[in-house]
Amino acid sequence: GQNIDQPTEMTATEGAIVQINCTYQTSGFNGLFWYQQHAGEAPTFLSYNVLDGLEEKGRFSSFLSRSKGYSYLLLKELQMKDSASYLCAGGKYNNNDMRFGAGTRLTVKP
Amino acid sequence: EAQVTQNPRYLITVTGKKLTVTCSQNMNHEYMSWYRQDPGLGLRQIYYSMNVEVTDKGDVPEGYKVSRKEKRNFPLILESPSPNQTSLYFCASRSGLAAGNEQFFGPGTRLTVL
Repeated sequence: GQNIDQPTEMTATEGAIVQINCTYQTSGFNGLFWYQQHAGEAPTFLSYNVLDGLEEKGRFSSFLSRSKGYSYLLLKELQMKDSASYLCAGGKYNNNDMRFGAGTRLTVKP
Repeated sequence: EAQVTQNPRYLITVTGKKLTVTCSQNMNHEYMSWYRQDPGLGLRQIYYSMNVEVTDKGDVPEGYKVSRKEKRNFPLILESPSPNQTSLYFCASRSGLAAGNEQFFGPGTRLTVL
């Protein structure tokens, strides 16, 4: 199976740090992606992990542990505009099959 | 401007009336996909294509058809729409399968089937 699980909702304060977790069944995926989606808009790419470890990209970082089927997205110095849904997705090298989690809706409060 | 376009953006139709949602990308991408997004279920892949004339089923293909006659276009066809196909649909494209090749999404098509 290729279930991808992430929390439904999270709330955090402006300026703080928040970690959004994603777990998946270890068979089948070669890469783990994170997307941001504002209400009523299309998803936009944030980051990807192929190897274990932390990938940093400005205020956003993503971590992957393939053996544990676990990833997280870390958002630092939260801003109000970071209020959005964050989608975790698994992809394969050999085809265009991609599976998404249901998304985590993050609300940033002043 | 590099983009994925979809038409129409909004559509209200009735059960059984065939419809097509068009998708076009101007980035010369080989790989294209269709997704539907429903509350609580997230994005689910309907069909994907790896190149012209190469398509494959995703997670939820029932009730849908696709074609890939040209590289830039990947229309989604609903031969006989039903109310359970009411959803928000996204088309996406990417240049390659390596993890660094991000997917670019179209703006979405909100479909209501009465």
